[in-house]
Amino acid sequence: DAGVTQSPTHLIKTRGQHVTLRCSPISGHKSVSWYQQVLGQGPQFIFQYYEKEERGRGNFPDRFSARQFPNYSSELNVNALLLGDSALYLCASSPIQGFYGYTFGSGTRLTVV
Amino acid sequence: QQQVKQSPQSLIVQKGGISIINCAYENTAFDYFPWYQQFPGKGPALLIAIRPDVSEKKEGRFTISFNKSAKQFSLHIMDSQPGDSATYFCAASLQGYYGQNFVFGPGTRLSVLP
Repeated sequence: DAGVTQSPTHLIKTRGQHVTLRCSPISGHKSVSWYQQVLGQGPQFIFQYYEKEERGRGNFPDRFSARQFPNYSSELNVNALLLGDSALYLCASSPIQGFYGYTFGSGTRLTVV
Repeated sequence: QQQVKQSPQSLIVQKGGISIINCAYENTAFDYFPWYQQFPGKGPALLIAIRPDVSEKKEGRFTISFNKSAKQFSLHIMDSQPGDSATYFCAASLQGYYGQNFVFGPGTRLSVLP
């Protein structure tokens, strides 16, 4: 079975631009979450989606948005990029119930210049 | 109250030695405590996890010790190997209806010397 796949793997954007990151969960996983990992820090929760609806949101500005599609894949959008948005953006999928933990993708490395 | 503290920030251990990483939390509602291992350029991978009704869990060379009253938990890596060199994150979560959302510690960079 394929794991969580994310695209692109690397991305360089200019301040003020918009970016879209994509994620495909493990087959059968219906919940997708997004995390931001700044270099040298632990991942920080951004969003959780299930059945195309936002089910959880972390402490991030409204420039960050996401959506989930009927096939459970997801997009993370960031508007008006700032230098501080440079980070590894991780997507994780999980079954809904039970203590199974997440399976993370390898992430998208976003650099804002 | 949502913070998870982790120490040490970095750790150097000789091959065959024991690596110990400690974490502490404040929110007593947390009900799941996983440890993740992350190699450079990769996403975190679930290593081992424990629920607060258990004081210890062992899987191979990896053991979690959990102290509910002290709100602390730790990861022990026995017989540490150079291949264990990675960054380790503890985390804590609440089991909601739609799944879990994790609060991660800041990470410990482990280097195992050959």
